[in-house]
Amino acid sequence: GENVEQHPSTLSVQEGDSAVIKCTYSDSASNYFPWYKQELGKGPQLIIDIRSNVGEKKDQRIAVTLNKTAKHFSLHITETQPEDSAVYFCAASIGGNNDMRFGAGTRLTVKP
Amino acid sequence: GAVVSQHPSWVICKSGTSVKIECRSLDFQATTMFWYRQFPKQSLMLMATSNEGSKATYEQGVEKDKFLINHASLTLSTLTVTSAHPEDSSFYICSAMTHQETQYFGPGTRLLVL
Repeated sequence: GENVEQHPSTLSVQEGDSAVIKCTYSDSASNYFPWYKQELGKGPQLIIDIRSNVGEKKDQRIAVTLNKTAKHFSLHITETQPEDSAVYFCAASIGGNNDMRFGAGTRLTVKP
Repeated sequence: GAVVSQHPSWVICKSGTSVKIECRSLDFQATTMFWYRQFPKQSLMLMATSNEGSKATYEQGVEKDKFLINHASLTLSTLTVTSAHPEDSSFYICSAMTHQETQYFGPGTRLLVL
């Protein structure tokens, strides 16, 4: 079946440093790649997404890059803050369906 | 941005009872909603896709008679866990899809079956 691999599973950075989370996918028909932030006991919150017709998208301190040839996409958070600490999930759409497959998640800790 | 609500946020019930969870898209219409289950420190597991006015599509291994889904309107989908057992205890999260095919998640419902 279609898989989404996410690395690393845990990431600890110092406040102010950058954090990068990477995902790979297997379905060549995937064309939508969102990133979600989930805080403890809450539902996932969409923080940024990218579609296959662009290679990069930026929103303030958050950016996502997409390499369709290599089938991988990455989340970049610059100038990290303690409130960025959460679990981050990547996802990829599945073929022509509305379904998405999620990565296993990355627990980001930003140390003050 | 799009807002999705869930009710209740948490529920405790006795084994054998049924529990209904509501998912509402508050500021947009959603022809498609999704129900996920999440175990502690794990990713989201898709249970079923709920389409307004038609039967839900269940993922492999998810019992449709156990987890009843009704998508009665463009802003409401319900998940009923029938004859709940302790192993059904989990965090249930819904999402609603906008017409741009973006999924927005609800805050989740924590179910504890005693």
